[in-house]
Amino acid sequence: GAGVSQTPSNKVTEKGKYVELRCDPISGHTALYWYRQSLGQGPEFLIYFQGTGAADDSGLPNDRFFAVRPEGSVSTLKIQRTERGDSAVYLCASSKGGNQPQHFGDGTRLSIL
Amino acid sequence: AQKITQTQPGMFVQEKEAVTLDCTYDTSDPSYGLFWYKQPSSGEMIFLIYQGSYDQQNATEGRYSLNFQKARKSANLVISASQLGDSAMYFCAIGSRDYKLSFGAGTTVTVRA
Repeated sequence: GAGVSQTPSNKVTEKGKYVELRCDPISGHTALYWYRQSLGQGPEFLIYFQGTGAADDSGLPNDRFFAVRPEGSVSTLKIQRTERGDSAVYLCASSKGGNQPQHFGDGTRLSIL
Repeated sequence: AQKITQTQPGMFVQEKEAVTLDCTYDTSDPSYGLFWYKQPSSGEMIFLIYQGSYDQQNATEGRYSLNFQKARKSANLVISASQLGDSAMYFCAIGSRDYKLSFGAGTTVTVRA
């Protein structure tokens, strides 16, 4: 499809495990963003990529969270030693950059047991 | 730092009537953009409308219009001729030259037949 694709749509895992969440942006979009949305709240910024580099990772909550975008397209958000508080919907968005509208994927619902 | 305030947690509107969703913002950046997104119960974030801080005209997109009052720092969304499919959570967001979006807490809209 032409939209932002996120996989998996749902992920259930045990506390302490490692997880990877994948985002495939809209073709031609150079900017890619990760957000986290807890129940009943608005999304919160995690990290922003312009091309291959992380231009701003100030929203990552701690060093258990890491993201990459090695070829400037697909991005992977990685969470080590997961905790129950990491449970949320992780949203990926892409845009043409600047203040162009960000278009979101359907998100990955992460549940840590 | 940027902040969005949405004071209406939930609203009911009769089908075919108009509804206004309030949004106020705070930012120290002279150049910024204001965005509205719709999030149905299925979870995807759908971009609705954008207003740039230097735009002279209020933005409109079909049945959506943005009532931008810069001096009052407000960016209310007006949905005209409400339809049952408009029932969803609506988020106001602000982005500036640092591109990352800051979202409000959202307003739930329920359209009654």
